[in-house]
Amino acid sequence: TQLLEQSPQFLSIQEGENLTVYCNSSSVFSSLQWYRQEPGEGPVLLVTVVTGGEVKKLKRLTFQFGDARKDSSLHITAAQPGDTGLYLCVGAAQGGSEKLVFGKGTKLTVNP
Amino acid sequence: DSGVTQTPKHLITATGQRVTLRCSPRSGDLSVYWYQQSLDQGLQFLIQYYNGEERAKGNILERFSAQQFPDLHSELNLSSLELGDSALYFCASSPLDGPGEQYFGPGTRLTVT
Repeated sequence: TQLLEQSPQFLSIQEGENLTVYCNSSSVFSSLQWYRQEPGEGPVLLVTVVTGGEVKKLKRLTFQFGDARKDSSLHITAAQPGDTGLYLCVGAAQGGSEKLVFGKGTKLTVNP
Repeated sequence: DSGVTQTPKHLITATGQRVTLRCSPRSGDLSVYWYQQSLDQGLQFLIQYYNGEERAKGNILERFSAQQFPDLHSELNLSSLELGDSALYFCASSPLDGPGEQYFGPGTRLTVT
């Protein structure tokens, strides 16, 4: 069974702090997506990473795909209350859509 | 706004009943995915359709079924409802057939009493 372990599960920080969340697996993924979900709403796609070692930046968010395409990280600089939400990583393994693997998410709270 | 619409937003029904949830994908997307999200679980993939055909099945119960129509909208039918079926149900669409980035709708919150 393929698993995506996200850590930490919960994170509560003050506005202005930096943070990193991790997404790890023993499986290789052809691509990996990060989503942010706010309470009662659907997940919103933030980024897709495809190439091992790839780094993508989205304003204050930096996403990295591991060289072996088994892990990924999301770093947020100078967090703001608007960053609060559930961050989900989703790995796409080789094969059909049944090969989508979901992490359980990191619930981030940024306090003003 | 992802461009994916879901109706209804909220649904309250009794055990043993049957309900239908509806999803319209983004314009041009041929794939529709259905997911269940309950408080103690993450997103659980249920089923995927691509251009009217079932493509992949996840943890979908036999009491649940889905279909995608020629106009590409999709319906998820839940029958013989149990208390444990209470959850948020999301649909997502994608231009791709295989796994990749998806665009999620706002969800339907189902409460079974």
